[in-house]
Amino acid sequence: GAGVSQSPSNKVTEKGKDVELRCDPISGHTALYWYRQSLGQGLEFLIYFQGNSAPDKSGLPSDRFSAERTGGSVSTLTIQRTQQEDSAVYLCASSEVAAGNQPQHFGDGTRLSIL
Amino acid sequence: GEDVEQSLFLSVREGDSSVINCTYTDSSSTYLYWYKQEPGAGLQLLTYIFSNMDMKQDQRLTVLLNKKDKHLSLRIADTQTGDSAIYFCAESLNDYKLSFGAGTTVTVRA
Repeated sequence: GAGVSQSPSNKVTEKGKDVELRCDPISGHTALYWYRQSLGQGLEFLIYFQGNSAPDKSGLPSDRFSAERTGGSVSTLTIQRTQQEDSAVYLCASSEVAAGNQPQHFGDGTRLSIL
Repeated sequence: GEDVEQSLFLSVREGDSSVINCTYTDSSSTYLYWYKQEPGAGLQLLTYIFSNMDMKQDQRLTVLLNKKDKHLSLRIADTQTGDSAIYFCAESLNDYKLSFGAGTTVTVRA
């Protein structure tokens, strides 16, 4: 596709359930990023992929959060045993390579609501 | 986002210029960015500037960078109703990690 595609666009689930969020980056982009945007806040960096590997997972809030990327393309962010504080918009971005002069292009996000 | 600060709200009359200000803390940041977010959408890159530049102009947008004061501003000329959105300033901490401000909500009134 022309842009970064994320699915689902909205997800409502009960506390304690697992959720999986998907990101399809711009074709040919080797770098992929996940961010979390809580209400009224800026974006919080979660994880960065270069190809299939994740050199920096430092932003993942807890061990309930994990992410993978297979085939150097699609990435999934999984949250296990969801808690109410996980409610947020999860944004994915991609860039051709990881470099300051290769700006990150964002998808529309997945709005996650934990009941 | 706590390392990048922005004012939270700006109200501007249609046709006037808008100026959104941002301060950052990492003097080694090589790139600084402005993104726009409309309701229900992701972040749209507006423009970015390399740290050795003082100014960058792109149609109605002008970015000014004062590296000494770590101050970045975005000026939107002839502001239109379609410019109503949240504007985020971000600094590059390294090749892949950006630090974002909390965003400035711009409201354009007729």
